[in-house]
Amino acid sequence: EIVLTQSPGTLSLSPGERATLSCRASQTLSSSSLAWYQQRPGQAPRLVMYGASSRAADIPDRFSGSESGTDFTLSISRLEPEDFAVYYCQQYGSSPYTFGQGTKLEIK
Amino acid sequence: QVQLQESGPGLVKPSETLSLTCTVSGGSINSYYWFWIRQPAGKGLEWIGRIYSSGSTHYSPSLNSRVTMSIDTSKKQFSLKLTSVTAADTAVYYCARGRGTHWLDNWGQGTLVTVSS
Repeated sequence: EIVLTQSPGTLSLSPGERATLSCRASQTLSSSSLAWYQQRPGQAPRLVMYGASSRAADIPDRFSGSESGTDFTLSISRLEPEDFAVYYCQQYGSSPYTFGQGTKLEIK
Repeated sequence: QVQLQESGPGLVKPSETLSLTCTVSGGSINSYYWFWIRQPAGKGLEWIGRIYSSGSTHYSPSLNSRVTMSIDTSKKQFSLKLTSVTAADTAVYYCARGRGTHWLDNWGQGTLVTVSS
């Protein structure tokens, strides 16, 4: 089973700042098989990024994704109030699909 | 825009079977993979398994012995059964649609299932 480790656990930033969230896989993922989800309190997760760097529908271009080997990054430039939430990475390259433990992006 | 809605009992007794259904609206159930994911309160997401519209399934090894998924394309519904539940199975259960090589692009709102006597 591939283990995904997200860091930091909590990220405190102000609106307008840039956020950088990390997700490290315990093994190489096939075909950039990594997605990011945003979960606001009391809501279901929402797809933000797939294929490591492809934005999902209706996701603003201030969100970007990248990968370097087994390290994946979700960046959010110019944070908006609605961006503060918990973000999860998920790998779908190997079964069982697994999720990271989440990064909470909170308002400083 | 496809919408998914989970339904089922919110309270299940220990050792009994948890049964949930996900209804798909606004889009086709055919030719897609459909997923169940759960989230204990205050914790992260756990992948339970998937079912294709043809009925083929794949379950998480950690739950494989207790999980059964089924699909009824005529009703645009797919279902989850989890046997011999314990308090550790208390969670919000989500259904979701898989796309491509299986990122999850549409999620239900989730339903809380509590295991308690």
